[in-house]
Amino acid sequence: ELKVEQNPLFLSMQEGKNYTIYCNYSTTSDRLYWYRQDPGKSLESLFVLLSNGAVKQEGRLMASLDTKARLSTLHITAAVHDLSATYFCAVDPRVGNSNYQLIWGAGTKLIIKP
Amino acid sequence: GAVVSQHPSRVICKSGTSVKIECRSLDFQATTMFWYRQFPKKSLMLMATSNEGSKATYEQGVEKDKFLINHASLTLSTLTVTSAHPEDSSFYICSAGGTYGYTFGSGTRLTVV
Repeated sequence: ELKVEQNPLFLSMQEGKNYTIYCNYSTTSDRLYWYRQDPGKSLESLFVLLSNGAVKQEGRLMASLDTKARLSTLHITAAVHDLSATYFCAVDPRVGNSNYQLIWGAGTKLIIKP
Repeated sequence: GAVVSQHPSRVICKSGTSVKIECRSLDFQATTMFWYRQFPKKSLMLMATSNEGSKATYEQGVEKDKFLINHASLTLSTLTVTSAHPEDSSFYICSAGGTYGYTFGSGTRLTVV
């Protein structure tokens, strides 16, 4: 069974601190996505990681992918309140050009306190 | 970039009525559309996958007669919740899948009273 495990599921942190969200997956894949969801809203794409060793950064967020360890991380640097949201990772286990649905992590609810 | 327009964003309906949710790909052709349901504080649950011109593939446990999906063109997919009941109240999100990623609609909050 294809599984994507995110941890922690809930994270409360102070502004200015650093932290990492982890995403482990059970299938071979070199496509991993990170999304942000604000309450009552749909998903906003943050990062698409397409190869082993991929690292992408946008502002205070940095995502990386280790396909051998089947692990992706989302690192938050010097957190600010605006980053409070729920973050999802999702794995695309497609092989070749066939379409396949994303396998989702449970989400990490991040609360950043002033 | 690719945009998927989803309407309505919010709908309240009476029990027993049907509700149609539309998702349109605005500047690209969506061969495949995914329909998700999301319960409060939960992750996304895939309901069905639809390919243009063919019948949708439903996930286990999803009633195909209750959640009718039509993907008649490359730019429009619809989800109709038939004979809605309060337990169908949820947040529904469509997503168009492509070679290089997925684009999500803005979601529809359905409340059945």
